[in-house]
Amino acid sequence: NAGVMQNPRHLVRRRGQEARLRCSPMKGHSHVYWYRQLPEEGLKFMVYLQKENIIDESGMPKERFSAEFPKEGPSILRIQQVVRGDSAAYFCASSPFIEADTQYFGPGTRLTVL
Amino acid sequence: DQQVKQNSPSLSVQEGRISILNCDYTNSMFDYFLWYKKYPAEGPTFLISISSIKDKNEDGRFTVFLNKSAKHLSLHIVPSQPGDSAVYFCAAIASGGYQKVTFGTGTKLQVIP
Repeated sequence: NAGVMQNPRHLVRRRGQEARLRCSPMKGHSHVYWYRQLPEEGLKFMVYLQKENIIDESGMPKERFSAEFPKEGPSILRIQQVVRGDSAAYFCASSPFIEADTQYFGPGTRLTVL
Repeated sequence: DQQVKQNSPSLSVQEGRISILNCDYTNSMFDYFLWYKKYPAEGPTFLISISSIKDKNEDGRFTVFLNKSAKHLSLHIVPSQPGDSAVYFCAAIASGGYQKVTFGTGTKLQVIP
């Protein structure tokens, strides 16, 4: 059973460009979470999604950031008009059901904004 | 506002000795606590957890202690091994259903052979 997959692993963008980060949850997992880790900080919750639904986006900046988890395909975290402060590691996690007491994390996407 | 705090950014321990990693929290709604281990360029991996109805949970070399009145938990690793060298994150979940995990800032453990 493959683990949580994230791609790309590294992404370089210039200021003003768009960044698309993909997350394929573990097989059978319908709950996806995105976290951001800024340098020298812990992981910060951004958004929690189930298939086709955003359940909690309280940790996501109101502007430029959006997330989706379509019926088919991976979850996408989209950052429009990136700025240098968006440079961070973005981690995706998945769990099989709401009562899961652990989340399985992907290897992360390291975004660098030049 | 950092609701989960790990005040020691780093810790060095001799191989074979005990490693003690500490964590404090401020949110009284937290009722489930986890420790994650993270190697460079990888995602965090779950290590051990404890419910607020317990004060101790043990799994092999790893033991987590919870002191609810002090809002403090600790992870003990004994004996420490060089492969334990990693960043350890303390994390917490508040009662209310889904799994919005609040992480601490991490402690980098180095086990010296």
